Amino acid sequence: GAVVSQHPSWVICKSGTSVKIECRSLDFQATTMFWYRQFPKQSLMLMATSNEGSKATYEQGVEKDKFLINHASLTLSTLTVTSAHPEDSSFYICSARDIRGPWETQYFGPGTRLLVL
Amino acid sequence: AQRVTQPEKLLSVFKGAPVELKCNYSYSGSPELFWYVQYSRQRLQLLLRHISRESIKGFTADLNKGETSFHLKKPFAQEEDSAMYYCALKGGSGNTGKLIFGQGTTLQVKP
Repeated sequence: GAVVSQHPSWVICKSGTSVKIECRSLDFQATTMFWYRQFPKQSLMLMATSNEGSKATYEQGVEKDKFLINHASLTLSTLTVTSAHPEDSSFYICSARDIRGPWETQYFGPGTRLLVL
Repeated sequence: AQRVTQPEKLLSVFKGAPVELKCNYSYSGSPELFWYVQYSRQRLQLLLRHISRESIKGFTADLNKGETSFHLKKPFAQEEDSAMYYCALKGGSGNTGKLIFGQGTTLQVKP
């Protein structure tokens, strides 16, 4: 299957700082990528849909000014957690939508663990 | 409302026993359903999708529209099947491709 990478794999930051997480589709172009948040032993919660060349679509309850998404190329989407606070500590996962082939598939990145002190 | 429900948080079976992981969905229209698996310390990966009617690693899942279910089954569980399993529904309006995940079921296969 296709490969999606995330960088960094983990990050620790101080409260009030901003953190950028990158999501890359390594061997295919993805006009659509998704950002999820996963709490320990819980399911994935979709935060937003990242669309190449246009604004991201945020799910209800997700602050777009807090979680800035940029999808500047067909292989890269970034999520910036602005003015991070301890409650933003979580596991952030991205996925990229692959529409090649007979059926579309979402390929997931390995996740980024964020700890805000 | 579009929703996926996995009623069991944990399913524990012995090696060689049959396994059924339950998934129910709520969706108006023709649903597209998936099972994803997450092994320990690994990323989420697609196990199977209803539309292709595949059997992967001995797992099968049949879409039952009458019961709005998409249960995952395997006749003989193996220890390497121990993982977190998520049922997912392709949801949203239009062709956004977004997935709605169930809460997940941890499958524990004991030797």
